[in-house]
Amino acid sequence: NAGVMQNPRHLVRRRGQEARLRCSPMKGHSHVYWYRQLPEEGLKFMVYLQKENIIDESGMPKERFSAEFPKEGPSILRIQQVVRGDSAAYFCASSRTGTKEQYFGPGTRLTVT
Amino acid sequence: AQSVTQPDIHITVSEGASLELRCNYSYGATPYLFWYVQSPGQGLQLLLKYFSGDTLVQGIKGFEAEFKRSQSSFNLRKPSVHWSDAAEYFCAVDTGPGGGADGLTFGKGTHLIIQP
Repeated sequence: NAGVMQNPRHLVRRRGQEARLRCSPMKGHSHVYWYRQLPEEGLKFMVYLQKENIIDESGMPKERFSAEFPKEGPSILRIQQVVRGDSAAYFCASSRTGTKEQYFGPGTRLTVT
Repeated sequence: AQSVTQPDIHITVSEGASLELRCNYSYGATPYLFWYVQSPGQGLQLLLKYFSGDTLVQGIKGFEAEFKRSQSSFNLRKPSVHWSDAAEYFCAVDTGPGGGADGLTFGKGTHLIIQP
């Protein structure tokens, strides 16, 4: 049973470009969470999605960031017009309906040059 | 709003010695509590969790944690550490209602260094 998959593992973007991060949850999991880990800080919750629905986006920056979890395919975290401050590790987690445990992927390390 | 405090940024322990990592939370009720471990360049692995019942919970890799309501604490312990335990440890809480998971609130982590 494969774990949570994230790709790419490393992503380099120039300022002003778009970054698209993908997350495939564990088999049987229909809930996806995105977190950001900035240097010297812990993980911060960004957004919680179920298939085709955003449940909680209280941690998402109001501009440039968006997330989706379509009926088919992986969840996507999209960052438009990236800035140097967006450089961080972005982790996705998934959970099964009715459970509290979240299982994390290996992360995507975004570097903005 | 809830918060999680891990007072120790770095801890150094000799191999074979015992370990205790501290975690305190701030929340009006008892949250769902978790400890995760992160090795360099890797994702997070769930070590153990507390939801209710017995306040001493066992996890993977020989770790255990004790929930103390009076102190709002959930400290992680291991009787004898191994060099492979060197990693970053995160305490986290889920304060959402219901049986499903909500966004976790994490502490800033404790970096564990093992001395030979």
